[in-house]
This record gives sequence, C-alpha cells and structure tokens, in this order.
Amino acid sequence: GEDVEQSLFLSVREGDSSVINCTYTDSSSTYLYWYKQEPGAGLQLLTYIFSNMDMKQDQRLTVLLNKKDKHLSLRIADTQTGDSAIYFCAEGANTGFQKLVFGTGTRLLVSP
Amino acid sequence: NAGVMQNPRHLVRRRGQEARLRCSPVKGHSHVYWYRQLPEEGLKFMVYLQKENIIDESGMPKERFSAEFPKEGPSILRIQQVVRGDSAAYFCASSPPTGTGNTEAFFGQGTRLTVV
Repeated sequence: GEDVEQSLFLSVREGDSSVINCTYTDSSSTYLYWYKQEPGAGLQLLTYIFSNMDMKQDQRLTVLLNKKDKHLSLRIADTQTGDSAIYFCAEGANTGFQKLVFGTGTRLLVSP
Repeated sequence: NAGVMQNPRHLVRRRGQEARLRCSPVKGHSHVYWYRQLPEEGLKFMVYLQKENIIDESGMPKERFSAEFPKEGPSILRIQQVVRGDSAAYFCASSPPTGTGNTEAFFGQGTRLTVV
C-alpha cells in the first residue's frame, strides 16, 4: 500500500538552512506536497511539486524531487524561529480529488 | 473570502455519547474531505464527499462513523457511542470542482475531540 515516511525531529539554529526529507512508495503519485502545522492549528500548504519536475523554488523554500528514488526534500533557507512547527509531506494522485497520504511529520525546532 | 470553517474547535464527550463535527467549505468548493490525526501521527484520510454524495469512504471505520454533505448547510461528521480511542483531531478540507485546474485542498483548523 501507500506509505510516506519522514524523520521525526530536526533541530537547527536560527539563520541556518533546514532540510526535511521524505520518502514515498506510490510511483503513481502525481503531486507531492509540503504542509506546515503550528501548535493547535490546522495545516497550511507551503508548496507542492508535480511529479514531472525535479525542483521548485519559492522564496526561502526549495523542493527537490528524486522520482527514481521516490525521495522528496524541503529546504528552508535562513531558518527563523517562526519556522518552528511540524512539517508534513503528502502525496496525491491526479484523480480529480485530494485524497492525500500524509507522512508522520517532522518536528522542526529552531533555536536562537 | 472565508476559508474552511470547522466547529467546534474543541469538543469533550463522555464515553457512549455522540459527537457531531461540522465543516463549512470554502465558498464555491463542492468537494469536502475529512481526515483524522491521532496524537503524534500524520493525517489519515477518512472520507470524500460531494454535495449529497459520498464518493470515497475507504478510510471510515465500519461502525459508529458517518458523514454527510447535504445540499444546504455544512458537512457533518458524526461519531456515535464514542470511545476513548476516538480522541483525535479531525480536519476537514475542501477543494474546487473538478476541471477548474486547481489542485489545492484547503484545510480547516480542526476539531479536537477528547473522550473522557
């Protein structure tokens, strides 16, 4: 079945870059997403990438996709304390609706 | 333009009671999804609905759980005879009709259900 895995925890210092990794198993995935969840809050879509792309950059965020290895990463440049949150990757197929399979989330802690 | 609205934000129920969770999608969105997040876990898909239709309920427990999205009004996730294991955050998401070219689903802030 479908499975998405992430490392559980990442700690960085303010100003450093953060790299959050994710692996998935469903080769038919069309879209891969990164969501941010702050404590007690819902999910905020940060960015997504189509499966036919290798890289997508959006301001401080860079997404890299290695489709052969089914590996997705999110790089946050110049990480700030406000970036502390749980980051979820999710995969979805182009079936016309958003039945997403989520990873367990990576808790990012940014220290001053 | 309001986002996905869920209420209540927090709900406490005693074992055996019923829980009703409401979700109002983004205006103009006709697709609604419910996800459940158990403590320290990711979100798990439960059910996908369009107006008056259940399209995919493959993630719904077979008993006690039901969902609807009526022609008028919010989508409702109903849990009958709640048990402690139902304690979780329940998230609703909505997306536009198929064919609009938009692939993004917008999530609400969730309802945190605690069963005591």
